[in-house]
Amino acid sequence: DAGVTQSPTHLIKTRGQHVTLRCSPISGHKSVSWYQQVLGQGPQFIFQYYEKEERGRGNFPDRFSARQFPNYSSELNVNALLLGDSALYLCASSLAGTTYGYTFGSGTRLTVV
Amino acid sequence: RKEVEQDPGPFNVPEGATVAFNCTYSNSASQSFFWYRQDCRKEPKLLMSVYSSGNEDGRFTAQLNRASQYISLLIRDSKLSDSATYLCVVNSFGGSQGNLIFGKGTKLSVKP
Repeated sequence: DAGVTQSPTHLIKTRGQHVTLRCSPISGHKSVSWYQQVLGQGPQFIFQYYEKEERGRGNFPDRFSARQFPNYSSELNVNALLLGDSALYLCASSLAGTTYGYTFGSGTRLTVV
Repeated sequence: RKEVEQDPGPFNVPEGATVAFNCTYSNSASQSFFWYRQDCRKEPKLLMSVYSSGNEDGRFTAQLNRASQYISLLIRDSKLSDSATYLCVVNSFGGSQGNLIFGKGTKLSVKP
């Protein structure tokens, strides 16, 4: 069975640009959460979606937005990129929106120059 | 005060050593506790959940002290393959919401 898949794996963008990151959860999982991991830090919660509705939002600016589609895949959008947005963006899926059975994808490494 | 704080590390130990990681959390309402392992440039993977009664999985033992808001991980007979960053993680909503709070992580290097 496929695990959590994220695309692209690596991305380089210029300051001020916009980026869209994609995540496909494990088959049957209805919840997707997004995390940002800056080098040397632990992952930080950005959003959680369950059954296509936002269930939680971390302390991130409005430049960050996300959505979940009917097939439970998800997109994370970041506008007006800053150098500080350079990080590993992780997607995690779970069956019912809890943290049990939580599985992370391998992430998208975003570099903003 | 950070929500989850860990030993700064790094820990450099010889093979066969016993190593202990400590972690404190600030929210007394926290309900669920975990240790994750993260290899260099990889995603975090669940190592073990932590229960109030303490739990063991092979060479790994996790303890939780709710009164002190303290979590620990003990690794016995360290292997080279244990080299990784260990992340202390809490969930403040009883597992009902997908909000994990991660510590900064402690890097472990096991040397031959």
